[in-house]
Amino acid sequence: QQQVKQSPQSLIVQKGGISIINCAYENTAFDYFPWYQQFPGKGPALLIAIRPDVSEKKEGRFTISFNKSAKQFSLHIMDSQPGDSATYFCAASGGSNYKLTFGKGTLLTVNP
Amino acid sequence: DTAVSQTPKYLVTQMGNDKSIKCEQNLGHDTMYWYKQDSKKFLKIMFSYNNKELIINETVPNRFSPKSPDKAHLNLHINSLELGDSAVYFCASSQRQGGETQYFGPGTRLLVL
Repeated sequence: QQQVKQSPQSLIVQKGGISIINCAYENTAFDYFPWYQQFPGKGPALLIAIRPDVSEKKEGRFTISFNKSAKQFSLHIMDSQPGDSATYFCAASGGSNYKLTFGKGTLLTVNP
Repeated sequence: DTAVSQTPKYLVTQMGNDKSIKCEQNLGHDTMYWYKQDSKKFLKIMFSYNNKELIINETVPNRFSPKSPDKAHLNLHINSLELGDSAVYFCASSQRQGGETQYFGPGTRLLVL
């Protein structure tokens, strides 16, 4: 059972555009929702994370929007740059389940 | 200084062999993890140790055996390697278990021929 569903699988955006990646979860005990960024040949690295006490968190050009009632959260990348081209993973953890459950990833390509 | 390091970076071996991957973190973290990333980039946790104690053991063949000699090290030994074991294996660490930032190593690319 996939507990975190991520879409789209791949995304192509023009430089300066907005990239939006969506995730949905099933486990209502989840209380920590990070996004990780992975460049080719590298390990994933934390980009931004949110907890359900807020509906939005912004760090520079990256924003997480969180909808607790819909059990959905999304990553918005404003003014997308070619250097943002990478695979993005949403994830969730919480309750008695300490493990981080990852979505299947979105390959973002930002064309110059 | 690398926060989470893994050796080797690449591992090419024959089916049936036994191999080990080593991981070290210099962040002073209590919790360490092993993940497997398959060819479709799907990241799945395999094991987690907290203060040298196994706390997460996912449905992984018992050919895979983790070992944590101390808080800073988590090794992964794989017996009787199979073709399906080919993947990238990532070690990670976090300050403590639960909703904490996990810091990933650079990965070990395992190819079983």
